Amino acid sequence: EPEVTQTPSHQVTQMGQEVILRCVPISNHLYFYWYRQILGQKVEFLVSFYNNEISEKSEIFDDQFSVERPDGSNFTLKIRSTKLEDSAMYFCASSGLVSGRAEFFGPGTRLTVL
Amino acid sequence: AQTVTQSQPEMSVQEAETVTLSCTYDTSENNYYLFWYKQPPSRQMILVIRQEAYKQQNATENRFSVNFQKAAKSFSLKISDSQLGDTAMYFCAFMTETSGSRLTFGEGTQLTVNP
Repeated sequence: EPEVTQTPSHQVTQMGQEVILRCVPISNHLYFYWYRQILGQKVEFLVSFYNNEISEKSEIFDDQFSVERPDGSNFTLKIRSTKLEDSAMYFCASSGLVSGRAEFFGPGTRLTVL
Repeated sequence: AQTVTQSQPEMSVQEAETVTLSCTYDTSENNYYLFWYKQPPSRQMILVIRQEAYKQQNATENRFSVNFQKAAKSFSLKISDSQLGDTAMYFCAFMTETSGSRLTFGEGTQLTVNP
């Protein structure tokens, strides 16, 4: 069964460093998303991406965040200058027009900012 | 603003018994989708079941079923014949046609299935 994959599974970085989180969505899906879950809290929407551009972003998704689909398969989230409060689980998700709008999530990347 | 509320932070059930997790939501939209996701200790988000608001029939997936009450804006999840592997955090989520496909999640219910 097709699945969303994410790398790395765990990333440790120093405050102020840039990180790039990578995702490979399900191949025939057209909508891509990033969500964040701070430990012990609910999952929060960051950004959605369709037709090679951001379709919506939340108030969390400020100028330090960016997304890119550099080729036909990868979808990346870049955090330019990490803060302690960026420590969280980051989930990539994708959905397709025929999937009933259900979003299929990747396994997540645990980001730890020291 | 659209909100999702799960009023039960924690629940427990004996193996093989039935449990119901509650969820309410608030929206002024007429077309929307509702979901239940399971998050085991691995923290993977697994889609359990989904319901389209225009469908009156409640969705069912094996041991999982929902009770969708559109007028009451309620979307509860029933797990029958609970298994130890059902132990997880369960999130109710909501998406509208006009929300750009973003999911809004509830706070979650931690379900523990006891042997």
